[in-house]
Formats: sequence, structure tokens, C-alpha cells
Amino acid sequence: NAGVTQTPKFQVLKTGQSMTLQCAQDMNHNSMYWYRQDPGMGLRLIYYSASEGTTDKGEVPNGYNVSRLNKREFSLRLESAAPPQTSVYFCASSEWASDPNEQFFGPGTRLTVL
Amino acid sequence: AQSVAQPEDQVNVAEGNPLTVKCTYSVSGNPYLFWYVQYPNRGLQFLLKYITGDNLVKGSYGFEAEFNKSQTSFHLKKPSALVSDSALYFCAVRVNDMRFGAGTRLTVKP
Repeated sequence: NAGVTQTPKFQVLKTGQSMTLQCAQDMNHNSMYWYRQDPGMGLRLIYYSASEGTTDKGEVPNGYNVSRLNKREFSLRLESAAPPQTSVYFCASSEWASDPNEQFFGPGTRLTVL
Repeated sequence: AQSVAQPEDQVNVAEGNPLTVKCTYSVSGNPYLFWYVQYPNRGLQFLLKYITGDNLVKGSYGFEAEFNKSQTSFHLKKPSALVSDSALYFCAVRVNDMRFGAGTRLTVKP
């Protein structure tokens, strides 16, 4: 039971390059989330998927797209990376977004955009 | 709008002493409140949550938190700190989506 896994762990991009961050969970959770973590700002929600087939914007969605590929997988895409997107990205999952269930987090992807 | 504040960037305590990490929130409606801990180069781990009922909530690793509606606070406490408790602690509030505080770095010195 791996929980929430993320790939890659580290990535360096040049401005304008694109990439996709992958996330998978094996807990049969319905809801999945993408956050970014910046120093002194805590975690901010980028996008979430309350259930398979749905996605919604969070607090800071600009510059990102997401795909809920199936119940297990939720990917985050940067179409044209920019230096302000340098951050640590965390994927999380929970049983249902509508319930007060705790979220389970992956180990994170450290992204640097030059 | 919902928000959460952690007024201290850093908390230092000696091992064996009690610790408190502060959290205040602002929401309209009844909040769900959470504490998470983050160790270096790791994701966040759930510690405890308040949904309803008893204002004192007990969680993992001997931590507890007290919900105070009048003061809109949800402070994290532990009676006797361990060096291994040193980490980054996040308070979070959920009404519609989850909002996290900026985090408090706890350092427990031997």
C-alpha cells in the first residue's frame, strides 16, 4: 500500500517548456488535489477533482491544467513554465471532498523554472 | 471567505517542556479544523482534526488541540516535547475547500 505517489521528485525546466506532474493513489479515494508550497505561504490549492470525471479550480489555477485520468490518477500540466511557478508541488487525496476527511499527501515534486 | 493564521513563524522549546503552536481562523459557518506535520523533504502528515463535539481533540504522537469558538482558535499542544517533534506544523480550516496557514517551525532542543 504505497499511499500517494508522485513523479518526478525533482525537475528543472527552462522558461517556456512544458511538463506534466504525475500523481497516483491506491487508497480508492474519490477526491484528489494539487497544491503548491512556497516559503512563508503554506500550501495553496491549484486544482482539485472531487470525483472521477470532474475537476475544479482552486485558489491559484492560472498557468496550470489538470486531468483526472481515472480514479487513481490525477496529473498537473504546466503548458509554458515560468519562473514564478518554481515551487514544491504536492498531490493529495481524500475519501470525499465534501466530507471533513483528512487528506493524504504525496512526497512532493520540487520544480525549478529557470 | 475563510482564512487561517499561524502567528508564530518559529517556536523553540526544551525537550520535556510543554509546547503550544498557535492557530486562529476566520470563517463564516462552522469550520472543520486540522493540524498537519511536515518533516524535511516529506509530504504533510495528518495529526488531528476537529469536526464537532468535545473541544479537546487528541491525535497522533501525543498531540492534542483545543477548539475555542469564542476566540476562534485551535492551538496545538503537547505536554512533554521530544526532539523528534521538531518539524513544520500546519493548521488548516475547511469550509468549502482546505485553506492552510503559513506554517510554524517547531524546534525542540535537548
